[in-house]
Amino acid sequence: AQSVTQLDSHVSVSEGTPVLLRCNYSSSYSPSLFWYVQHPNKGLQLLLKYTSAATLVKGINGFEAEFKKSETSFHLTKPSAHMSDAAEYFCVVTLSYGQNFVFGPGTRLSVLP
Amino acid sequence: NAGVTQTPKFQVLKTGQSMTLQCAQDMNHNSMYWYRQDPGMGLRLIYYSASEGTTDKGEVPNGYNVSRLNKREFSLRLESAAPSQTSVYFCASSDVIYGYTFGSGTRLTVV
Repeated sequence: AQSVTQLDSHVSVSEGTPVLLRCNYSSSYSPSLFWYVQHPNKGLQLLLKYTSAATLVKGINGFEAEFKKSETSFHLTKPSAHMSDAAEYFCVVTLSYGQNFVFGPGTRLSVLP
Repeated sequence: NAGVTQTPKFQVLKTGQSMTLQCAQDMNHNSMYWYRQDPGMGLRLIYYSASEGTTDKGEVPNGYNVSRLNKREFSLRLESAAPSQTSVYFCASSDVIYGYTFGSGTRLTVV
């Protein structure tokens, strides 16, 4: 069965500094992996996805993530945080589209001025 | 704009009341889902529908029923609401290329 671990429930960074949100997964098969962002009182928006193509995936708003099979990780990074990045971020794994997506518990990102 | 539309956005129910949450998508997706989101627990799947005419239970189906009325619409019904069902509910649809598209959510409080 798949599972997703987000190692930090809350990350706080200063504006202009790098962001690292960690995600590890457990899956018996080659998974598809996603990062979603949820701003306060909003729905979830897709940031980026990995589906067995390039291991370094670029998403919207300057975010990117690298799939590392040996480490079973899919960490989300951004070189320079912006105030508008403050939100909840969810790492998601699924074996294939149309099947159940397994969500991590989320990481709340705070950006300090 | 194309996407997933949920109604209502907010609802307060008394224990034992019933209600139906409506969801419609206009992206011609086959698969649709209902999730609930609770603090510290991420999103948990209630029911999903892989195609029109089919529905399957997810992780937390108890206390809920669903109807896939047609390809566009997937409703979630609470027959007898309980305080434990206080949550934010999200509908989503998916396709092979773009993954999930979520609705904006329904904030339900059961008192």
